[in-house]
Amino acid sequence: EAGVVQSPRYKIIEKKQPVAFWCNPISGHNTLYWYLQNLGQGPELLIRYENEEAVDDSQLPKDRFSAERLKGVDSTLKIQPAELGDSAVYLCASSLEGQRGDEQYFGPGTRLTVT
Amino acid sequence: QKEVEQDPGPLSVPEGAIVSLNCTYSNSAFQYFMWYRQYSRKGPELLMYTYSSGNKEDGRFTAQVDKSSKYISLFIRDSQPSDSATYLCAMSGAGGSYIPTFGRGTSLIVHP
Repeated sequence: EAGVVQSPRYKIIEKKQPVAFWCNPISGHNTLYWYLQNLGQGPELLIRYENEEAVDDSQLPKDRFSAERLKGVDSTLKIQPAELGDSAVYLCASSLEGQRGDEQYFGPGTRLTVT
Repeated sequence: QKEVEQDPGPLSVPEGAIVSLNCTYSNSAFQYFMWYRQYSRKGPELLMYTYSSGNKEDGRFTAQVDKSSKYISLFIRDSQPSDSATYLCAMSGAGGSYIPTFGRGTSLIVHP
């Protein structure tokens, strides 16, 4: 079974440029998560989807970040414009139903460097 | 003060040693406790999942939860160089949320 797929794996951009990350969750997983992981820190939730609906986006900086999950499968996270402080690893995870005891499976992440 | 505290290490041990990794937390409402392993340039992988207090064993790994002390531990027996990774504790269930709150991770190095 294929795991969570993310692309690109690495991205270097100049500040004020836009950037987009793509995630393909495990087949059949209804819940999809985007996390931000700064160096030396644990992941922090940005947004959670149940199917196509964003059910928890309180930590998403909506002035510059946006996300979508069309057809309840793939998801895209966008930053426009990027700032130096956005340099981090962006992790995507998926789970069957998002309930307690429901294991989250993480992708390898996209490492963003903003110069 | 963060909700979940974890010493970042690094913790360096010889092969075969027993490793003890720990986290403390401040929110007594947490009910679910997890340990993730994260290799360099990879995403976290769930190792152990426990509910409420007590012990759980899986092969060389044992997870302990002491809710009265707000303290959780992961023990690794007969540590191997392949165990070298960052170990993240996480907890959830406070206020009905099942989104994990992660510690910052402890870097473990097992040298041959």
